[in-house]
Amino acid sequence: AQTVTQSQPEMSVQEAETVTLSCTYDTSESDYYLFWYKQPPSRQMILVIRQEAYKQQNATENRFSVNFQKAAKSFSLKISDSQLGDAAMYFCAYKMGGADGLTFGKGTHLIIQP
Amino acid sequence: DTGVSQDPRHKITKRGQNVTFRCDPISEHNRLYWYRQTLGQGPEFLTYFQNEAQLEKSRLLSDRFSAERPKGSFSTLEIQRTEQGDSAMYLCASSPALAKNIQYFGAGTRLSVL
Repeated sequence: AQTVTQSQPEMSVQEAETVTLSCTYDTSESDYYLFWYKQPPSRQMILVIRQEAYKQQNATENRFSVNFQKAAKSFSLKISDSQLGDAAMYFCAYKMGGADGLTFGKGTHLIIQP
Repeated sequence: DTGVSQDPRHKITKRGQNVTFRCDPISEHNRLYWYRQTLGQGPEFLTYFQNEAQLEKSRLLSDRFSAERPKGSFSTLEIQRTEQGDSAMYLCASSPALAKNIQYFGAGTRLSVL
């Protein structure tokens, strides 16, 4: 079975600084997708960024970028110029190609210090 | 487009009672998913519909749980004879046919079983 591990239960960063959230996964599949979702308190889960495993280029979305290391099965999220609105739980998720359910990690609680 | 809508947002029930939750996906999204999220954990996949057909069910979906999507639009998730262990956030997500790897989540229904 596929597993997703987020080893940082909580991270804290100063506003305007850069923070990196870690994620590792375990799979024997070659066709899969990886995602980072943001869940603000009492609000719905929002897709931050996604990466197709067959793409070597790391995905970027404005201040958010990933470091996808396929051989190491690592998928970290970098948030640049952190803003107060970035405070939330961040979940790393895996989806096998052809399957439909997402497998989530336990999440990292990101705190932004003003 | 108002996003994925879930009703009710909160439900408190006594052990042994039946409860039913509703999910309205984004218009014209043919895929619909149910997840369960307990405190301090990431969401766990329960089941998936493509149109009205239920195509995948997790082993987490015990025989007390049943989900339907009768006309391929909204979906219901029913839990019979609720137990305290059923207390969780129940999340619904949907995705369109042309972007099936991207799931859009609703705000969830929080169930408390007393």
